[in-house]
Amino acid sequence: LAKTTQPISMDSYEGQEVNITCSHNNIATNDYITWYQQFPSQGPRFIIQGYKTKVTNEVASLFIPADRKSSTLSLPRVSLSDTAVYYCLVGDGDYKLSFGAGTTVTVRA
Amino acid sequence: DSGVTQTPKHLITATGQRVTLRCSPRSGDLSVYWYQQSLDQGLQFLIQYYNGEERAKGNILERFSAQQFPDLHSELNLSSLELGDSALYFCASSLGGGSGQGNYGYTFGSGTRLTVV
Repeated sequence: LAKTTQPISMDSYEGQEVNITCSHNNIATNDYITWYQQFPSQGPRFIIQGYKTKVTNEVASLFIPADRKSSTLSLPRVSLSDTAVYYCLVGDGDYKLSFGAGTTVTVRA
Repeated sequence: DSGVTQTPKHLITATGQRVTLRCSPRSGDLSVYWYQQSLDQGLQFLIQYYNGEERAKGNILERFSAQQFPDLHSELNLSSLELGDSALYFCASSLGGGSGQGNYGYTFGSGTRLTVV
């Protein structure tokens, strides 16, 4: 399964756009890219999933370049409540691997 | 409410004891996954069941076991508990079982916080 690399932490301010890039150089043809959000003492929550190009939903956008070796989660106009850990996962549905450390996003007033 | 129900929410027990954690998957989901999250650690995959059968195993200790019942709920049994087993245990469910079927995403429950004293 593809290994992912993402920043350990990012700081931002309310109202700004936050972009988190995840590297997955050995992504396989069948693999999807999925992002989750986790608040302290809560289970991760599915945010967005994509295969190629751009995907947008009411929460975030996911940008995937043509080579699919990386992806960028974009959180528009963040608020304090977006402070959380964000995980990038790559796979075809089998997530036997751990979620990893994720990216801790801290939003300040 | 994610649709995945985990009970109990909190559990405090002594070393050497045995506990059972229960998970009811979201309606229609066939796969159940168990994860352990200790302080300062990421989510560690333990085991997956798909439609009653064990599908994948992760870093699950021999003292731990799980099963999925015909009604698709699952139980995680932890025995001979040690202090280091204190953690949040999450259950997740998904429609598919992986293996190239495409990705439907996981839905996680709110977890069971186990404290071993």
